Amino acid sequence: EAQVTQNPRYLITVTGKKLTVTCSQNMNHEYMSWYRQDPGLGLRQIYYSMNVEVTDKGDVPEGYKVSRKEKRNFPLILESPSPNQTSLYFCASSARVGGVRGNIQYFGAGTRLSVL
Amino acid sequence: SQQGEEDPQALSIQEGENATMNCSYKTSINNLQWYRQNSGRGLVHLILIRSNEREKHSGRLRVTLDTSKKSSSLLITASRAADTASYFCATDGSSNTGKLIFGQGTTLQVKP
Repeated sequence: EAQVTQNPRYLITVTGKKLTVTCSQNMNHEYMSWYRQDPGLGLRQIYYSMNVEVTDKGDVPEGYKVSRKEKRNFPLILESPSPNQTSLYFCASSARVGGVRGNIQYFGAGTRLSVL
Repeated sequence: SQQGEEDPQALSIQEGENATMNCSYKTSINNLQWYRQNSGRGLVHLILIRSNEREKHSGRLRVTLDTSKKSSSLLITASRAADTASYFCATDGSSNTGKLIFGQGTTLQVKP
């Protein structure tokens, strides 16, 4: 089954304790992206990757790191989490980048993170 | 920055009625997409309409696009309780980076 898998689904941590949220897709997609979703703010892009070893900042990259060493994996790293990073996080992947045919994105089930 | 803005923010209807949601955006686009999100879950792609298309259908969904007004609408006909979810429009802003800009969403409640 084609899917984007995020782990963990729920995470409670404390300020400053490094954490990694994993994301894996089995569709051989080139494009992957991380979003955070907050009430009243919608979905905001954190980082994206157009291919292996190619990553770039989205709209809200501060406090986050990513890597794309393999095509299928795109982990999100919070080196020193803070309470303002408490949010619902989504990973997404897409077969193509853009143009008229579009960048239809497939989303993971989400990771709900609480930073105390 | 959020480009798409949905209207209304919330909509409550009875089963069997039609639901219409609107989306406005600010820049030129290659295409516009609509996604659905069940509470706390990942978004699911519903339909994509290209900038040179004016209307598209998929099952009970009908999407229109007016590029002169920079607006789109999503119509769900004969709604069901299972349609209860949040609906988001997303645009690519003519970018070739793959980035999608999502609106704030319309929360639809369909009462049985």
